[in-house]
Amino acid sequence: DAKTTQPPSMDCAEGRAANLPCNHSTISGNEYVYWYRQIHSQGPQYIIHGLKNNETNEMASLIITEDRKSSTLILPHATLRDTAVYYCIVSRTGNQFYFGTGTSLTVIP
Amino acid sequence: DSGVTQTPKHLITATGQRVTLRCSPRSGDLSVYWYQQSLDQGLQFLIQYYNGEERAKGNILERFSAQQFPDLHSELNLSSLELGDSALYFCASSVAGTSGGDTQYFGPGTRLTVL
Repeated sequence: DAKTTQPPSMDCAEGRAANLPCNHSTISGNEYVYWYRQIHSQGPQYIIHGLKNNETNEMASLIITEDRKSSTLILPHATLRDTAVYYCIVSRTGNQFYFGTGTSLTVIP
Repeated sequence: DSGVTQTPKHLITATGQRVTLRCSPRSGDLSVYWYQQSLDQGLQFLIQYYNGEERAKGNILERFSAQQFPDLHSELNLSSLELGDSALYFCASSVAGTSGGDTQYFGPGTRLTVL
């Protein structure tokens, strides 16, 4: 499975949009992009996933570039409860996940 | 609440001992994954089972073993425990279909402390 590169940390003001980037330049055609977050030592929480098209759900939006080599997770109105480590993962359907080091997002009041 | 349950929440034991961690997947999910998260290694995939059969192996030590039972719950057995085995152990489950993406839902984890 492809590896991903994320910035180690980011800050975001409360109420503003948080844009978290991820590079996955070696992604193959049948691999999906998944985003998870982990708050403290809780189990990773699913946020969103996509293959080619942009996706939106009640938590976030996922923007995938046309060449699929990078993506951005958007939290539209960040709150203090969004402070967490965010993981970008690429994987084929039914395969295990390889977690990188993720981005530690701090939402500032 | 992801629907995945893990027991126990905390486990404290001594070096050389053996422990069993239990995971119940979400209703309808056929695949179970085990992950280990230690301070210096991050989240690492250990092993995957699908409908009772081993499907994939990651960085799982020979001292560790797992199985998935007919009711689809899974157990991770850790033996001859060492201090370095202290970690959070997460179980995840998914439908593991063949297309459409396959979201894994994670349990709350078991925190293992080896003294």
